[in-house]
Amino acid sequence: QKEVEQDPGPLSVPEGAIVSLNCTYSNSAFQYFMWYRQYSRKGPELLMYTYSSGNKEDGRFTAQVDKSSKYISLFIRDSQPSDSATYLCAMRTQGAQKLVFGQGTRLTINP
Amino acid sequence: IAGITQAPTSQILAAGRRMTLRCTQDMRHNAMYWYRQDLGLGLRLIHYSNTAGTTGKGEVPDGYSVSRANTDDFPLTLASAVPSQTSVYFCASSGELGDRGNNEQYFGPGTRLTVT
Repeated sequence: QKEVEQDPGPLSVPEGAIVSLNCTYSNSAFQYFMWYRQYSRKGPELLMYTYSSGNKEDGRFTAQVDKSSKYISLFIRDSQPSDSATYLCAMRTQGAQKLVFGQGTRLTINP
Repeated sequence: IAGITQAPTSQILAAGRRMTLRCTQDMRHNAMYWYRQDLGLGLRLIHYSNTAGTTGKGEVPDGYSVSRANTDDFPLTLASAVPSQTSVYFCASSGELGDRGNNEQYFGPGTRLTVT
């Protein structure tokens, strides 16, 4: 079993929909949680970063961490075609430089 | 500011040949990483370096080697390429762990390698 599991999709939704992307993990020592966005034929870019449990909002994006359930989510409100990309969750333990990534979910927003 | 550059952009390589993928960063980051990305498997860490002069093995190190002679460069070498090494390779770097431990990894544009 992988340390971090992410539904690879693909996920296709109409423009304006609310999108929910999720990851589960098995290592309870993970403290830092990230979402990266990767456009086609590009490198990943950091989208959201959360420390420990709770919610963090940035514009149309909300990252949620539930450490008791070992479950993290990324919500996208009022989704736009420009949000079409692969979204990767990543996490690490305290003091570690290395990240553990999920498989990535490919998202398409249809105009 | 270029960030991270990788070369070549893409390459077709015959099995058994030696190949070095180049990675250079201009952000003076201490840590650098090499990942491979394959469909359905996500990003998997090959090797990493926490600082110049040190390297470590990641999740899938077999068949690859790295060196870190200075802060800026982190080349990845395939000594004798095999078809299973066909993948997209990403180099990344990160700075010091700051307050609350955010060490964002910055990624290069990737190298698409096909081993025939």
